[in-house]
Amino acid sequence: GAGVSQSPSNKVTEKGKDVELRCDPISGHTALYWYRQSLGQGLEFLIYFQGNSAPDKSGLPSDRFSAERTGGSVSTLTIQRTQQEDSAVYLCASSLVGGAGTGELFFGEGSRLTVL
Amino acid sequence: QKEVEQDPGPLSVPEGAIVSLNCTYSNSAFQYFMWYRQYSRKGPELLMYTYSSGNKEDGRFTAQVDKSSKYISLFIRDSQPSDSATYLCASPASGAGSYQLTFGKGTKLSVIP
Repeated sequence: GAGVSQSPSNKVTEKGKDVELRCDPISGHTALYWYRQSLGQGLEFLIYFQGNSAPDKSGLPSDRFSAERTGGSVSTLTIQRTQQEDSAVYLCASSLVGGAGTGELFFGEGSRLTVL
Repeated sequence: QKEVEQDPGPLSVPEGAIVSLNCTYSNSAFQYFMWYRQYSRKGPELLMYTYSSGNKEDGRFTAQVDKSSKYISLFIRDSQPSDSATYLCASPASGAGSYQLTFGKGTKLSVIP
């Protein structure tokens, strides 16, 4: 497909389990972003990858969260020892160039995580 | 205080009405402003972006920025049921690379046929 692809679309897990969320950006897009959208809280920046540069992890809420991007393409967001407050929609976006100020972000449909 | 504030609504209007969606921001360093539209269970999509003060028009949509009052508006003319969505204003975050967008919480709009 031509858009950003995320999987799984829905994930229900038990508190304390680890989860992995996957993002396949638009081909040729060098920048990749993860955001979290919680009910009533809006979108919250998590992490940014640009090409082969070190990622900006400043938005990750705790050390239980990590992300990697392999080969400058697919990215995986991992949440260890999930907590109920981790329940949210995790959105991935990509852009042709880095810099949200001038480049359009293309979002996937998100992975909806529910922690019981 | 959140850097971008937006009334969450919900806002319900009849088809054909003019809709006004508004945001305020606190940081005068913000230069770019975007409006994203998000349909239910979908990711946000860019609707419009503006760089300077004044108006920018695109079809039925007009984005307005007033930097003196730190106020951003999106107007929708002749609203249609297909405009029913959540509208998010955003700007690149201050004190960080321009790649971090700070979003408002979004205003949920329903256009009733």
